[in-house]
Amino acid sequence: SAVISQKPSRDICQRGTSLTIQCQVDSQVTMMFWYRQQPGQSLTLIATANQGSEATYESGFVIDKFPISRPNLTFSTLTVSNMSPEDSSIYLCSVEGGRRAYNEQFFGPGTRLTVL
Amino acid sequence: AQSVSQHNHHVILSEAASLELGCNYSYGGTVNLFWYVQYPGQHLQLLLKYFSGDPLVKGIKGFEAEFIKSKFSFNLRKPSVQWSDTAEYFCAVRGSQGNLIFGKGTKLSVKP
Repeated sequence: SAVISQKPSRDICQRGTSLTIQCQVDSQVTMMFWYRQQPGQSLTLIATANQGSEATYESGFVIDKFPISRPNLTFSTLTVSNMSPEDSSIYLCSVEGGRRAYNEQFFGPGTRLTVL
Repeated sequence: AQSVSQHNHHVILSEAASLELGCNYSYGGTVNLFWYVQYPGQHLQLLLKYFSGDPLVKGIKGFEAEFIKSKFSFNLRKPSVQWSDTAEYFCAVRGSQGNLIFGKGTKLSVKP
């Protein structure tokens, strides 16, 4: 399975600021995704992080609010911009593939964000 | 659009009771189906998956799920639960972009 780390694991931020979350995978993977899990809710896909091109966003999520970078096959960042309390959530990175795990998705530990 | 429904929001069982968690999906074509578990304070872990073949899929920790195409269902079962199975369980279907579409989750509480 792929091993995924995320930084930071949690943060408390002020309204109007931005936070960048990093996702690092221990092997090269084709697909990387960013999800959001709001309190008491299920996971919702924010976007697919594409290596070498712009991310593909789901309905309701825009690049200005959630810019994503993916400079190579093992790393991606998600920025939550101009935060408001409604952005308080757990943000998860997931990957598909990696060693011997075609078509399986693995999840990082998540970043718990609280916006005051 | 594809969607996943999980029937139970919160299930409470005593140890050794049998478990069945319902999951229905909306897509009628070829589906890849998954059950994930999230133990308290831990990240999501894959319990089992179905891509093709035998519709009865066995996963880790004694869990199994049955894919019934005619019912668009993929219910999760375990014959005898333990206190350590207390967790939140998510059913998911693979979307067209390779992402996962999740149900709302079912919280399972097992009383010792």
